Amino acid sequence: EAGVAQSPRYKIIEKRQSVAFWCNPISGHATLYWYQQILGQGPKLLIQFQNNGVVDDSQLPKDRFSAERLKGVDSTLKIQPAKLEDSAVYLCASSIGQGTYEQYFGPGTRLTVT
Amino acid sequence: GESVGLHLPTLSVQEGDNSIINCAYSNSASDYFIWYKQESGKGPQFIIDIRSNMDKRQGQRVTVLLNKTVKHLSLQIAATQPGDSAVYFCAENPVGGRLYFGRGTQLTVWP
Repeated sequence: EAGVAQSPRYKIIEKRQSVAFWCNPISGHATLYWYQQILGQGPKLLIQFQNNGVVDDSQLPKDRFSAERLKGVDSTLKIQPAKLEDSAVYLCASSIGQGTYEQYFGPGTRLTVT
Repeated sequence: GESVGLHLPTLSVQEGDNSIINCAYSNSASDYFIWYKQESGKGPQFIIDIRSNMDKRQGQRVTVLLNKTVKHLSLQIAATQPGDSAVYFCAENPVGGRLYFGRGTQLTVWP
């Protein structure tokens, strides 16, 4: 079974530029998550989708971050404009459903904002 | 809330010894707990989970203990191997809520 795919793996941008990350979850997984992991910390949930609807985006900085999951499969996370503090690894995860189901993580995208 | 944490940021053990990684949580409403392993350059990988109606759960070479009285979670790894070297995170899932991760413990296994 293929795992969660993410691209790109690495991205370096200057502050105030925009960037987009892509995620393809495991086939059949209805729930998709985007996490931000700052160096030395645990992942922090940014947004959770159930199919193509947003379940939880309370921790998403909506003035600069946006995410969508058109057709309930692939998802993109965008940052515009980027700030230095956005430097982190952005992890995508998926699970069969909401709640206490195992979340499978992708390899992440390491973003460096200079 | 985001209250899951680790007692020690690093742990070094000799190959073959047992490892114990501890975690404290403060949300008494949490009913589901998970341990993840994260190797360098990779996403977190599920190790084992436990629900709040259990005190202990065993997997292959790993055991998770849950003490709800003191809100403490631990991960025991038997016969630690070099491949176990990674950062270990505990995470809690309050009822119907999001998954909260602790800051992680870096486990280093030396020969």
